[in-house]
Amino acid sequence: DVKVTQSSRYLVKRTGEKVFLECVQDMDHENMFWYRQDPGLGLRLIYFSYDVKMKEKGDIPEGYSVSREKKERFSLILESASTNQTSMYLCASSPRTGVEQYFGPGTRLTVT
Amino acid sequence: GEDVEQSLFLSVREGDSSVINCTYTDSSSTYLYWYKQEPGAGLQLLTYIFSNMDMKQDQRLTVLLNKKDKHLSLRIADTQTGDSAIYFCAEPSGGSYIPTFGRGTSLIVHP
Repeated sequence: DVKVTQSSRYLVKRTGEKVFLECVQDMDHENMFWYRQDPGLGLRLIYFSYDVKMKEKGDIPEGYSVSREKKERFSLILESASTNQTSMYLCASSPRTGVEQYFGPGTRLTVT
Repeated sequence: GEDVEQSLFLSVREGDSSVINCTYTDSSSTYLYWYKQEPGAGLQLLTYIFSNMDMKQDQRLTVLLNKKDKHLSLRIADTQTGDSAIYFCAEPSGGSYIPTFGRGTSLIVHP
């Protein structure tokens, strides 16, 4: 069974703080993704990575960066958190040409 | 560009059939899929259909694809309270492996 885990289910941070969201997958997948989910807006792709040390911007990369130093781990970084980054963050992974994405349970981030 | 549209809410009575509709724009998509998100969880692939098929049935689920109208639907027979979730329609973006998701349809099942 594919497992995608995220470091926290709930996180509360203050405006201006640096925030790290970690994602780990155990199926040796090449591709990893970070999305944010907001009511009425669905899933929006922030960044994705198709290999170690490789990253590509998604639809809404502003205010975020990512790191992929190891194949199994993909980190999302908020350099200076702002209230408009309060959201549910979902990590996913997939094989290189796979149809199916496997999602983690999500991290609900609140920035106050 | 690709765009996937679906209504935001659907309310049904337990035991009735639910039909969730989706329209997409990329006619070159080789497959389309439905994901389900249960409360407090990530998304999970529910089913998918290849573009050369019109229909796919899997137990209580029926997927219908109308390529001419770029319309996809998911029918859930005998809807149960456990089917309450958000359902996302998705298609690969521009032929890549990265899906474009619709905004999700919240299915509410009441007694």
